[in-house]
Amino acid sequence: DTAVSQTPKYLVTQMGNDKSIKCEQNLGHDTMYWYKQDSKKFLKIMFSYNNKELIINETVPNRFSPKSPDKAHLNLHINSLELGDSAVYFCASSQDLGRSGELFFGEGSRLTVL
Amino acid sequence: AQKITQTQPGMFVQEKEAVTLDCTYDTSDPSYGLFWYKQPSSGEMIFLIYQGSYDQQNATEGRYSLNFQKARKSANLVISASQLGDSAMYFCAMREDRGSTLGRLYFGRGTQLTVWP
Repeated sequence: DTAVSQTPKYLVTQMGNDKSIKCEQNLGHDTMYWYKQDSKKFLKIMFSYNNKELIINETVPNRFSPKSPDKAHLNLHINSLELGDSAVYFCASSQDLGRSGELFFGEGSRLTVL
Repeated sequence: AQKITQTQPGMFVQEKEAVTLDCTYDTSDPSYGLFWYKQPSSGEMIFLIYQGSYDQQNATEGRYSLNFQKARKSANLVISASQLGDSAMYFCAMREDRGSTLGRLYFGRGTQLTVWP
């Protein structure tokens, strides 16, 4: 069983479109995250939810909107996609805001905006 | 200021040899955690090893060990007996435990390790 699963794994779309990436974790963790990895492989946090409450909201355009319907799910919706949004988006989860150990990452979703 | 610095963009090592990947960090928080992740060409992020700031001993996990030098703020990863499958990008990361930044990992820019036969 995959611990942190995200779909789709690949997403190719046109500029201006709206798209969503879904994430689910079956580890029973209370904290979930979205990280963005750019073309130079740099990883940076975008959002974090703890028990469905938004706790980290980095300087991200408000075209990006996370939604956490429950502790096990954290989805990312992106409006009006731009070329610069092309990246790999990683979902991750941890217990207790990461104080108890490592983040578990999903396999990543590669978004390509044409 | 960068929280995590990895000064080696690329490293090469021969199979069966040991290699050290450098990582320095910057924090004023007395409580923090340090992590190493491996990212092979397939793209997934694989957790390797963790060191807490209050841990007295260096962390070890199989062929991985973390050389933690608190005063120098360094957390180098040592891979012993390198294998071809170790070829990957390696990321050092830090978690601070204070309120304003709690819950986020700061990543370095990574070191691309190539193991040759």
